[in-house]
Amino acid sequence: QKEVEQNSGPLSVPEGAIASLNCTYSDRGSQSFFWYRQYSGKSPELIMSIYSNGDKEDGRFTAQLNKASQYVSLLIRDSQPSDSATYLCAVNAEAAGNKLTFGGGTRVLVKP
Amino acid sequence: ETGVTQTPRHLVMGMTNKKSLKCEQHLGHNAMYWYKQSAKKPLELMFVYSLEERVENNSVPSRFSPECPNSSHLFLHLHTLQPEDSALYLCASSQDPPGAYNEQFFGPGTRLTVL
Repeated sequence: QKEVEQNSGPLSVPEGAIASLNCTYSDRGSQSFFWYRQYSGKSPELIMSIYSNGDKEDGRFTAQLNKASQYVSLLIRDSQPSDSATYLCAVNAEAAGNKLTFGGGTRVLVKP
Repeated sequence: ETGVTQTPRHLVMGMTNKKSLKCEQHLGHNAMYWYKQSAKKPLELMFVYSLEERVENNSVPSRFSPECPNSSHLFLHLHTLQPEDSALYLCASSQDPPGAYNEQFFGPGTRLTVL
């Protein structure tokens, strides 16, 4: 079982719609969760971090965390073509010595 | 310069060459990291330095040798690499040493091709 799992996509979303990305993790002791956006040929850019159960909103982005079910999700509202990228979920895993473990990423395509 | 910078941005080397990758962070952070990103694979942590001391070597082959002379600079020395080492090498930094809530910020990466 992979430590951090994401659907590789591509997730195709019409412009203006909501993109919903999911991430599951295996270490119940994980304490912090991060979403990075990576454009093709570029490096990952941190867009959200979340530490407590529930929702956290930042602009058009909302991160949702459910530790009991071991999943974290990212919603992108009013999706724009510029949101087309690969979104990486990263988990701070206690079992891994509090180092970030990354999922494989979900590729999102926003079509005009 | 701001954030995390890396040089060179692109590197092509033969298997017998020796080269070095450089990373510099301008954020006043205390921890620095090397990651490898290969096609179709998740980001892989290679090395972690906290307060200039190596705290993690993630089973990386000895043909990769890190160096951290101070809290702002990190190097990755390369020698006798293999074609499968071709990848994007990313440097990151965080304010605090590895811990539950530290956010890591990445440099632009070095695209390495080994012939």
